[in-house]
Amino acid sequence: ETGVTQSPTHLIKTRGQQVTLRCSSQSGHNTVSWYQQALGQGPQFIFQYYREEENGRGNFPPRFSGLQFPNYSSELNVNALELDDSALYLCASSLGQVRTQYFGPGTRLTVL
Amino acid sequence: DQQVKQNSPSLSVQEGRISILNCDYTNSMFDYFLWYKKYPAEGPTFLISISSIKDKNEDGRFTVFLNKSAKHLSLHIVPSQPGDSAVYFCAARESGGGADGLTFGKGTHLIIQP
Repeated sequence: ETGVTQSPTHLIKTRGQQVTLRCSSQSGHNTVSWYQQALGQGPQFIFQYYREEENGRGNFPPRFSGLQFPNYSSELNVNALELDDSALYLCASSLGQVRTQYFGPGTRLTVL
Repeated sequence: DQQVKQNSPSLSVQEGRISILNCDYTNSMFDYFLWYKKYPAEGPTFLISISSIKDKNEDGRFTVFLNKSAKHLSLHIVPSQPGDSAVYFCAARESGGGADGLTFGKGTHLIIQP
């Protein structure tokens, strides 16, 4: 059984650019959630996708957007990057919204 | 306003002894609680969870206790092993479904001393 995978591992962008991060959910999982973890903080919920639709969102601006594909993999897109967007971005998958979430290794984004 | 608080940034425990990690929450709508463990350069790994209808859940060396009236939960690790050295996150989910995601504390860095 394959766990949650994310790509790329690391990414460096400059302020104002756009970035796309990718996540493959664990086999059989139909729900994907994205989190942002700043240094020294716990992960913060960005949004959740269930059956290809966004069905929950945390306190993040609209320039954070996402997609979920029919195979349940997902993308996180961030437009107009700001320095404060530098963080570890974590993807978590689960079988349904109420089940335990299993995390991928994360993508480390640095915005210069 | 932090809804999930882990007030000890770090904790040092001798190998073989009990490690007790604490977590407090303020949101009465939380009905499900989880503990995750995180090594550097890895994603959080699920350890153990507890529903608000229970006050204790045990899995091997790990036991989670929930005190709803005090809005407090704790994770006990017995006996502590060197591989337990990691950052531990307490997380909570609101009732009514999981669409609001998990709310995490800031984590406690557990260091197991040989």
